[in-house]
Amino acid sequence: QQQVRQSPQSLTVWEGETTILNCSYEDSTFDYFPWYRQFPGKSPALLIAISLVSNKKEDGRFTIFFNKREKKLSLHITDSQPGDSATYFCAASTASSGQKLVFGQGTILKVYL
Amino acid sequence: EAAVTQSPRNKVAVTGGKVTLSCNQTNNHNNMYWYRQDTGHGLRLIHYSYGAGSTEKGDIPDGYKASRPSQENFSLILELATPSQTSVYFCASGQKNTLYFGAGTRLSVL
Repeated sequence: QQQVRQSPQSLTVWEGETTILNCSYEDSTFDYFPWYRQFPGKSPALLIAISLVSNKKEDGRFTIFFNKREKKLSLHITDSQPGDSATYFCAASTASSGQKLVFGQGTILKVYL
Repeated sequence: EAAVTQSPRNKVAVTGGKVTLSCNQTNNHNNMYWYRQDTGHGLRLIHYSYGAGSTEKGDIPDGYKASRPSQENFSLILELATPSQTSVYFCASGQKNTLYFGAGTRLSVL
């Protein structure tokens, strides 16, 4: 049972385009949603996160949009660069579980020149 | 900068053998985690710990044991390794809603 789902599985965009990665969840008790990025051959690292109290979180070229009613999030990457090529994981946790994260299956992003 | 060190980085084991994966963190984080990463499944939680002496089952604990003898060290033990346990294993420590991952251990069970 996949509690956190991501789409698409893989995505290819051209440099300069806006990338949109999607995430949905089932458990209504989830209240914290980080995105982790993993470069090939490396370990995942926190990229950006949002909590239930916000609808939007921005950090440079990266923005999370959050639709609580539909239990959906999206990560937008503006002006995509080849250096953004990586696997992006959406994750979720509840306040009661502390940092016990449930991860989605990931989206593999490739950005071409 | 958070520092989580895993050993070994690569391991080949035989079916039925015992495998121990080690993790050390120097950040004094209370919480530590073991995840496995498989294509199509993302990262799945095996065991976690809230501090020395404590271990808790994650989402896929079957076939695995964990040990947290100290604040710094957290081990994952496969008593009877099976080919289905071939995977990349990540250890992480956590603070303030952020996980810091080690470099990973690539395990092949033949």
